[in-house]
Amino acid sequence: KNEVEQSPQNLTAQEGEFITINCSYSVGISALHWLQQHPGGGIVSLFMLSSGKKKHGRLIATINIQEKHSSLHITASHPRDSAVYICAVSQYGNKLVFGAGTILRVKS
Amino acid sequence: NAGVTQTPKFRILKIGQSMTLQCTQDMNHNYMYWYRQDPGMGLKLIYYSVGAGITDKGEVPNGYNVSRSTTEDFPLRLELAAPSQTSVYFCASKPRGGGYTFGSGTRLTVV
Repeated sequence: KNEVEQSPQNLTAQEGEFITINCSYSVGISALHWLQQHPGGGIVSLFMLSSGKKKHGRLIATINIQEKHSSLHITASHPRDSAVYICAVSQYGNKLVFGAGTILRVKS
Repeated sequence: NAGVTQTPKFRILKIGQSMTLQCTQDMNHNYMYWYRQDPGMGLKLIYYSVGAGITDKGEVPNGYNVSRSTTEDFPLRLELAAPSQTSVYFCASKPRGGGYTFGSGTRLTVV
């Protein structure tokens, strides 16, 4: 079993829909990260969380430390949100463990 | 502020050739990392550094070497390229307690 599990693996949504991507982890962490990667592109850090909730524009990230679970929400989705969303956890020692990613496609 | 700069963006190598992937950051970050990303797989850590003069192996270090002579630079060396090293390579940096900044990646093909 992978230390970081994401669901779903693939997600297709219609423009305007509310989207949720989930991440569960099984190891002790110092922080959880949500990353975005566009096709053929680089990786952008969206959020770093150690507790609670963060919001940036239409993106919201939450984490429940007790349940070892995080969610990334996208409100009013747009085709430009189409990308791979990667959950990663920082273990003590400043190294990241990555999930396999969720491929999101938003259709207009 | 350029962030993390990787060169080259693309490279084709023949089996047995050597090359160095360059990574430079201008944010004075202590921590630097090299990852590889294979199709459909999560990123794997190759090597990392917690400061100038200090490097350590990650999950998949075989076939690679690194050095960290300055805070800014963290080159990754492939000595004898093999087809299994065909991948996309990402360099990243972070400050102590802060988030990660990734480079734009190097797409390497070994034929």
